[in-house]
Amino acid sequence: AQSVTQLGSHVSVSEGALVLLRCNYSSSVPPYLFWYVQYPNQGLQLLLKYTSAATLVKGINGFEAEFKKSETSFHLTKPSAHMSDAAEYFCAVSASGGSYIPTFGRGTSLIVHP
Amino acid sequence: IAGITQAPTSQILAAGRRMTLRCTQDMRHNAMYWYRQDLGLGLRLIHYSNTAGTTGKGEVPDGYSVSRANTDDFPLTLASAVPSQTSVYFCASSQGPRETQYFGPGTRLLVL
Repeated sequence: AQSVTQLGSHVSVSEGALVLLRCNYSSSVPPYLFWYVQYPNQGLQLLLKYTSAATLVKGINGFEAEFKKSETSFHLTKPSAHMSDAAEYFCAVSASGGSYIPTFGRGTSLIVHP
Repeated sequence: IAGITQAPTSQILAAGRRMTLRCTQDMRHNAMYWYRQDLGLGLRLIHYSNTAGTTGKGEVPDGYSVSRANTDDFPLTLASAVPSQTSVYFCASSQGPRETQYFGPGTRLLVL
């Protein structure tokens, strides 16, 4: 079975501050991990994904995430938040030995204050 | 390239009515998915299709049906809508189940 937990339904940061969005996963096989972003009234789009190559994955818009097997984590970071980063962020895991269809977390809303 | 289109954009529906949400992709992806998004619950998989001619049940399939007659289209049908089906519905596609998913803009459905 696979699951993903996103800690914190809302994260609030000031513009220019570090962004840290937390994601922990559970899987019985080596996982593929994804971060997606959803801007208001839009569908989701991929930020970055981990596919068992480099553990530090760089994505679009300055975001990156590090796969830590020992901690079963895949936290998303960005050194300096922009107002345009305000959105909903979803972590997803694909790990089941059957269909491999990803399971999504409940999402974290990032709020950026001027 | 349009990617994924969904129709309608939004709909108000009386309980008990039948409704089909349309989804079309032009990327020749093998896999397609239907999700519903509800506040605080994230995205939940309703049905999926790994390839044309096959479908499977997701986490919340009750009250919904799908078909995959060809590669491009993956309609979702609510046979008899109920208020608990009020949600935002997203269609997505990918080349395979572990590949990047591409999402449509969503359909906002209100069942009264």
